[in-house]
Amino acid sequence: KNQVEQSPQSLIILEGKNCTLQCNYTVSPFSNLRWYKQDTGRGPVSLTIMTFSENTKSNGRYTATLDADTKQSSLHITASQLSDSASYICVAGTALIFGKGTTLSVSS
Amino acid sequence: SAVISQKPSRDICQRGTSLTIQCQVDSQVTMMFWYRQQPGQSLTLIATANQGSEATYESGFVIDKFPISRPNLTFSTLTVSNMSPEDSSIYLCSVYRGGEGYTFGSGTRLTVV
Repeated sequence: KNQVEQSPQSLIILEGKNCTLQCNYTVSPFSNLRWYKQDTGRGPVSLTIMTFSENTKSNGRYTATLDADTKQSSLHITASQLSDSASYICVAGTALIFGKGTTLSVSS
Repeated sequence: SAVISQKPSRDICQRGTSLTIQCQVDSQVTMMFWYRQQPGQSLTLIATANQGSEATYESGFVIDKFPISRPNLTFSTLTVSNMSPEDSSIYLCSVYRGGEGYTFGSGTRLTVV
């Protein structure tokens, strides 16, 4: 069964700190993995897209990694800002299997 | 990337009524998608809206409950029919354009009372 599991479910960090969000997937066919940021009341916005041959991709303070062998991905956020408070969603495969997301709260 | 205007942004509806959600794209796209995001759950694809043909529905979703129109390459509507409280969700449209990937509308937060 295709599924994407994200951890932790929620996370609270202080402004300026780094954090890492995890995504484990069991998806077939698998061609790419995407990370989205979804602000409250808004639609998801793409952060990164990685094909199965890519190991890492950055978008500003966001860095995604992919290990296709272990079927794991992570999203690392550096020097967090209050505006990073959102839900981060991992999406895997050609059929776009969505995880439930990790809710990140950045406090001052 | 594509710019999507989705409306209404939110609504509170009585059970048994219907609500039509509109999605307007700033340029022509072949494929448009409708998703549902129930509280605490992941996005679930309802259907793919194809211009000039009937929408393709995913397992668990039927046309009578979620009729979709796609009159041209920049516009689509999703109707949630005969609503019940279980239909309370966020509904999102999405488009795909090669090179840009998927872009999502801002969503419609529906509450059925």
